[in-house]
Amino acid sequence: GAGVSQTPSNKVTEKGKYVELRCDPISGHTALYWYRQSLGQGPEFLIYFQGTGAADDSGLPNDRFFAVRPEGSVSTLKIQRTERGDSAVYLCASSLYSGNTIYFGEGSWLTVV
Amino acid sequence: GQQLNQSPQSMFIQEGEDVSMNCTSSSIFNTWLWYKQDPGEGPVLLIALYKAGELTSNGRLTAQFGITRKDSFLNISASIPSDVGIYFCAGDTRPSGTYKYIFGTGTRLKVLA
Repeated sequence: GAGVSQTPSNKVTEKGKYVELRCDPISGHTALYWYRQSLGQGPEFLIYFQGTGAADDSGLPNDRFFAVRPEGSVSTLKIQRTERGDSAVYLCASSLYSGNTIYFGEGSWLTVV
Repeated sequence: GQQLNQSPQSMFIQEGEDVSMNCTSSSIFNTWLWYKQDPGEGPVLLIALYKAGELTSNGRLTAQFGITRKDSFLNISASIPSDVGIYFCAGDTRPSGTYKYIFGTGTRLKVLA
């Protein structure tokens, strides 16, 4: 596609539920990133994929968060047992290779009630 | 997580005025970037800086990579209403393979016509 596509754009879920957020990167981009942006803050790094493998997952806050990219294109961020503090915009980004310009998607707004 | 210090936090200016904002860090950065984020959108890259002392322009925008490598500034000349938004600085402390950006807290710009 023309840009990074994220779905859903908005998600409201109850505390304790499981959530999946999807990212479709720019076609041909090998590197994919997930960031999280809390209200009034800048984005914070979560995880980076080069191809199918997670090259750096040091930003994932705890083991309730997990991300996959099984075919080296689309990625899914999975959050188990959601908590109210997980409410944020989850931004996906991609670049041709690591070190190239990163292009962000519009984000998925997650609200945990 | 770590975030860069950005100032000012917000500013109201008259259309046609010049704007200046800056970003500081306690750590040395090897890459500095400036992004703009509109409501409901992901950050969009404005300018990327890769060398200490580098001064780069993009239309009415000019940014500089500080000599100490611990700061950067962004200037916008002759502001127009569509400059409204949140401006984020971001940087990477690693020597190569940039992807793990640390973002600033943002400068919220409002332009009065």
